[in-house]
Order: sequence, then C-alpha cells, then structure tokens
Amino acid sequence: AQSVAQPEDQVNVAEGNPLTVKCTYSVSGNPYLFWYVQYPNRGLQFLLKYITGDNLVKGSYGFEAEFNKSQTSFHLKKPSALVSDSALYFCAVRDMWGGSQGNLIFGKGTKLSVKP
Amino acid sequence: ETGVTQSPTHLIKTRGQQVTLRCSSQSGHNTVSWYQQALGQGPQFIFQYYREEENGRGNFPPRFSGLQFPNYSSELNVNALELDDSALYLCASSQVGVNTEAFFGQGTRLTVV
Repeated sequence: AQSVAQPEDQVNVAEGNPLTVKCTYSVSGNPYLFWYVQYPNRGLQFLLKYITGDNLVKGSYGFEAEFNKSQTSFHLKKPSALVSDSALYFCAVRDMWGGSQGNLIFGKGTKLSVKP
Repeated sequence: ETGVTQSPTHLIKTRGQQVTLRCSSQSGHNTVSWYQQALGQGPQFIFQYYREEENGRGNFPPRFSGLQFPNYSSELNVNALELDDSALYLCASSQVGVNTEAFFGQGTRLTVV
C-alpha cells in the first residue's frame, strides 16, 4: 500500500531562520509527490509537486522541496521563515493503484509555528 | 483563491438525517474528488468523478454518494448521518492525469449532533 509519513506533529522555528518539514513516502513504482498548506478554517493550497526530473523542486511563496529517492523522502524547505508561514502542512502521494485517476493519500500533517 | 467553491461553509445536522454538499469546479477542470478531514487528521479520499461517473472510491460506506453534472459541478450526499461524520469536507478539482495538481475549495464544516 502507498503511504506518506510526517514524523513531526509540530515544528517550531524563529522568524528568519531556515525551516524544514519532513515527509517520507512508501510507494510501488515512481512516486508523484505533493505539498499542500492549510490555514485555519480554510481548504488546502497547493505549494509544489515532484513528478520527475530535478530533485530540487521550487514552489509557491519561496518554498522548495528536495526529493531523495534513496531515503524515500520529500522534505519541504524554506531558507528564511516568516510568521505568516505558520500553518498546517500536508505531504501527499498520488495513489496509482486505487482505481481512480490517481487520488491523493495525505500524511497527518505538521503544524508549523514561526515565532517573531 | 483556487476557483473551487463549496457550499454551504458550515452545517449542523442531527444524527440520522441526510445532507447534500455542493462544489463548483475550477473552470477547465473535468475531474472532481471529495475528501473528508476529521479534526487533527489529514484528508481522506471519499470518491472521484470523471465525466459524470464515479471513477474510484475510498474506504467509505455506500451511504456516501455523489454526482457530477455536465458543467463539472458536483454534489456529495450522505445519508443516515452518524456522529463520526462530523468533519471538514473538501472538494478538489483537477484535469485528468496523474501528474496534475488538485485545487481545493475552502471546505464545508459538517457537525452532526
């Protein structure tokens, strides 16, 4: 079965410091990986995706993610955190075996808190 | 904003009742998926519609059903509501294809009492 894991329930960083939100995956075949962000009482906003190609993927709002096949990881990063980055972050993998046109399987989410 | 709109934003129902949630897809998208997000959890896939037909289903009972209309808008219907159905219900639209991202609406918060 395909899955993603987000090992940290919460990540705390100081504004201006680099941030990393971790994600590991388990898939059969090539992974299609996504990061989404959710602000309170809102839906999910797409940040970036890895389909193929460069292992470093650049996305919205200055975020980037590094795909590492040997470690089966897809960590989200940002060089300099902002207080406004505080939100809930979800890693997701495309389910290639579920019979649909590839629904998403989400991790449990990581709450990012950026303090001034 | 994604262009995916859901209605209503909040809803309170009594156990045993039926509910219909609505979603208007982003222009140009032909696939709509529904997810249930319980408090403190990641979204879980309910089902997906493509060209007005169910095109995949997660681990949800038949009392969860849906429709997709010719204009690609969609409905999620839940019969015989249970307390555990209380959650945020998210609609996502996309183009068909495994490498395309899904765009989510703001969700409908359903509370079953």
